Amino acid sequence: AQRVTQPEKLLSVFKGAPVELKCNYSYSGSPELFWYVQYSRQRLQLLLRHISRESIKGFTADLNKGETSFHLKKPFAQEEDSAMYYCALNIGGAQKLVFGQGTRLTINP
Amino acid sequence: NAGVTQTPKFQVLKTGQSMTLQCAQDMNHEYMSWYRQDPGMGLRLIHYSVGAGITDQGEVPNGYNVSRSTTEDFPLRLLSAAPSQTSVYFCASTRGQGGAAFFGQGTRLTVV
Repeated sequence: AQRVTQPEKLLSVFKGAPVELKCNYSYSGSPELFWYVQYSRQRLQLLLRHISRESIKGFTADLNKGETSFHLKKPFAQEEDSAMYYCALNIGGAQKLVFGQGTRLTINP
Repeated sequence: NAGVTQTPKFQVLKTGQSMTLQCAQDMNHEYMSWYRQDPGMGLRLIHYSVGAGITDQGEVPNGYNVSRSTTEDFPLRLLSAAPSQTSVYFCASTRGQGGAAFFGQGTRLTVV
């Protein structure tokens, strides 16, 4: 069955420290993975998609098919990175997303 | 440009009541979908649509109906509300395959 696992519900790091939010997936097809973010009092929005291989707000994520992972990384955390982060797997061309449970990231000053 | 608009933002229902959550998008996106968000469970797909007149079930469709008579609108109907349907509901639209999903601001529904 398709599944996305984010093992950390809460993650707290200090400003300037590196951040890694973990995401593992289970899917028999070719995976299409995304990171979505929800800042306080804002709607859920796309942060990254693996197909673009881009860096957004200093975040990067690499798809590792061998380890079935799509971890989100940032070398130097900023206070404005505090938010809820969701890893999502598209299991159908119609944008059928399977979400992980989410990780609440808090950046301490 | 409003994007994806959901109404209402908050709703309290009594068990057995019915209601419709509205969702409208002005981006001419083909795909629309409904998710529910429960504590510790992330978002789960309820129903989705690949275009006007075409809908299909997601992971948790029981107790919900949808229709897509126009590209812009994708209402979600609760037939007979139950306390288990207390949740936050999100509508999303996507231009096409592999595109970013744009989400509404959510509807917080409480069934008592």
